[in-house]
Amino acid sequence: GAVVSQHPSWVICKSGTSVKIECRSLDFQATTMFWYRQFPKQSLMLMATSNEGSKATYEQGVEKDKFLINHASLTLSTLTVTSAHPEDSSFYICSASGQGLDTQYFGPGTRLTVL
Amino acid sequence: RKEVEQDPGPFNVPEGATVAFNCTYSNSASQSFFWYRQDCRKEPKLLMSVYSSGNEDGRFTAQLNRASQYISLLIRDSKLSDSATYLCVVRPRSGDKLTFGTGTRLAVRP
Repeated sequence: GAVVSQHPSWVICKSGTSVKIECRSLDFQATTMFWYRQFPKQSLMLMATSNEGSKATYEQGVEKDKFLINHASLTLSTLTVTSAHPEDSSFYICSASGQGLDTQYFGPGTRLTVL
Repeated sequence: RKEVEQDPGPFNVPEGATVAFNCTYSNSASQSFFWYRQDCRKEPKLLMSVYSSGNEDGRFTAQLNRASQYISLLIRDSKLSDSATYLCVVRPRSGDKLTFGTGTRLAVRP
């Protein structure tokens, strides 16, 4: 299957700082990448969809100025949580899909804790 | 009504048992269906796609009933390692975003 990596796997930061999370497709070209957030004991919630070279499409209720997404190449997308606050603490997971793939493949996730 | 509905469980079964999960979806135009597995504090991993004719992968059997908008997953001879949350996933058409159910938790006991 397709392999997606994510970095870092966990991060702890102070309130007010910005955190960048990277998502890479290792063995395929990801024409579309997705960013999800999951709170404890809840289901995955899609935050945004990004196509390479285009602006991301954000889901309703997700602040695009707070969660900056860049998909500059076919193998890399980044999510920057700007001015993070404790309520942003969550499990952030990216996924990717590409030509010839029947579904999305997920990265291992990044656990963000904002103090 | 939720787009994808699942019984959250938990299903608590002994090793060797057969267990079945059900899922219903509301969008009749949905074209692709999947079961993902998610372990605690890990990412979802594709377990299997679900085809109209039904399909089997080892101990796992998935079935789709388009008329009833219903998907099922059957696990035979449960193993301890099957303990996880099973996510029913639906997609309207190729390239569209996935819609996840809330998941059904399975706990297999010795």
